[in-house]
Amino acid sequence: NAGVMQNPRHLVRRRGQEARLRCSPMKGHSHVYWYRQLPEEGLKFMVYLQKENIIDESGMPKERFSAEFPKEGPSILRIQQVVRGDSAAYFCASSPPERGASETQYFGPGTRLLVL
Amino acid sequence: TQLLEQSPQFLSIQEGENLTVYCNSSSVFSSLQWYRQEPGEGPVLLVTVVTGGEVKKLKRLTFQFGDARKDSSLHITAAQPGDTGLYLCASKEYGNKLVFGAGTILRVKS
Repeated sequence: NAGVMQNPRHLVRRRGQEARLRCSPMKGHSHVYWYRQLPEEGLKFMVYLQKENIIDESGMPKERFSAEFPKEGPSILRIQQVVRGDSAAYFCASSPPERGASETQYFGPGTRLLVL
Repeated sequence: TQLLEQSPQFLSIQEGENLTVYCNSSSVFSSLQWYRQEPGEGPVLLVTVVTGGEVKKLKRLTFQFGDARKDSSLHITAAQPGDTGLYLCASKEYGNKLVFGAGTILRVKS
């Protein structure tokens, strides 16, 4: 059973370009979470999605960032007009449908974004 | 948002030594998770503790949850170079989002 897959693993962008990060959850998982790990900082929650719905985006910057989890295909985290401060490791996690209790989140290997 | 404090920030020890890292909060945890993250990879869940006073063992790793559910510790016996990594504690908040501590970077030298 394949784990959470993220691609690309490394992404280099110049300031002003767009970055698209993809996440394929584990088989049978319908919940996806995105976290960001800035240099010298811990992991910070960004957004929680279920198929075709954004459940909680309280950790997302108000501008330039968006996320989706379509009915078919991977979840996408999109960063428009990237700036150097967006350089970080972006992790996706997935969990199965809840069964009355919180489910474990399984993390992917991350995408390292470098903005030049 | 709950604030999780981890200590120490860095720990460098020789192979075979024992160590303990800590995770504390001013408020009560509903549950607490410990993760290990290796360079270039994502966090991997080690254990979840739920009940105050709970002790869980995973080979040479012992996890304790404080009686008041405000603190937790991870003790490693006879550390090995393969234990090197970033150890993170995390608490789940309402809505399923995880709140992480800043982590303890452990380096075990052979």
